[in-house]
This record gives sequence, C-alpha cells and structure tokens, in this order.
Amino acid sequence: NAGVTQTPKFQVLKTGQSMTLQCAQDMNHNSMYWYRQDPGMGLRLIYYSASEGTTDKGEVPNGYNVSRLNKREFSLRLESAAPSQTSVYFCASSEDGRNTIYFGEGSWLTVV
Amino acid sequence: QKEVEQDPGPLSVPEGAIVSLNCTYSNSAFQYFMWYRQYSRKGPELLMYTYSSGNKEDGRFTAQVDKSSKYISLFIRDSQPSDSATYLCAMTRSSSNTGKLIFGQGTTLQVKP
Repeated sequence: NAGVTQTPKFQVLKTGQSMTLQCAQDMNHNSMYWYRQDPGMGLRLIYYSASEGTTDKGEVPNGYNVSRLNKREFSLRLESAAPSQTSVYFCASSEDGRNTIYFGEGSWLTVV
Repeated sequence: QKEVEQDPGPLSVPEGAIVSLNCTYSNSAFQYFMWYRQYSRKGPELLMYTYSSGNKEDGRFTAQVDKSSKYISLFIRDSQPSDSATYLCAMTRSSSNTGKLIFGQGTTLQVKP
C-alpha cells in the first residue's frame, strides 16, 4: 500500500517553461488536494477535488491548473513557471467526512 | 494578520525534557484541530486530532484546545531525539471542510541526546 505517490520528486525549470506534477493515491479516497509549502508560510491550499470530475480553487490558485483524471489521479500544471512558484508541493487525499488527510512525500520545484 | 500563528522556533531541548508547542488563531469558527509532524524532506503525518475544547492524550503526546482563548498546545513528555522534526498545527471549521485546512507556519524542534 503506497498511499499517496508524487512525481517528480525534484525538478528545475526555467522561467516560462511548463510542467505537470503527477499524483496518485491507492486508498480509494474521493477527495484530493494540492498544497505548497514555503518557509515562514506553512502549507497553503492551491486546489482541491472533492470527487472525480470536480475541482475548486483553494487559497493560492493563481498560476496553476489542475486535472482530476480519475478517482486515483490528480495532477497540477504550471503553464508558465515563475520564480515565485519555487516551492515544495504536496499532494494529499482524504476520506469523505474525515479531517485526517494523508500527504505524499513532496515535490521540490525550483524555477530559475 | 495570519489566521493561525505559530512560533517557528527553532526549539532545542535536551532528551527527556517536556516540550510545549503552541498555536494561536483568530477565527472563532474553527472547531477541528490537528497536529502534524514533518520529518526533513518528508510529507506531514497526522499526530493528534481534537474536536472542540479539551484535552486528548496519546502516549507521550497531549493535545489541548482552549477555544475561549483561541489557543492550542501540544505537549511532548520524555522527549526523544526521534521527536526532532517540524510540528505543524492545523485547523478547520467543520467536517465538511475535510482537507481544506489552515496551517500554522510550523515549529522546528531539535531534541539533543
């Protein structure tokens, strides 16, 4: 049971490049999330998906798009990367009606 | 002003010490409170979960919530070097907000042998 799996773990991008962070969970959870973590800011919600086919903005959605491909997979896309998007990105999932969420290992992204 | 404030530390204590980690918050609607532990270069993992005011104990860990003061605490007794990590408080308004948590900045703890 792998839990929440993210790829890639590390990535360096040039300003203006695009990329997609992939996330998959094997816990049969309906809800999935993308957070970013920055020094002194804690974790902030970018986007979430309450179920397959639905997505909603979180606290910091600008510059990102998401796709809930199926129940297992939730991807995060940076269309035109900016240095301000240098961060650690965490995918997470949760069961319906439960406030316990499970995080992946993180993806370290640097935009130069 | 951030909705949740947490002293980032770092906090350094000797092995065996009692550790107190704290968060304050401004939104009185928060009812569900959590503590996450995050080891270096890993994802956060849930440590404690509390609903409304009161205490909850789990082994060496005790979580306290004082809604009247908008203040939550995590106590670690007999701290061990393996407790060295960043501790994040998190909270939300209702169970329907699952996963849409508001996090504190995290406190880095180092327990020295």
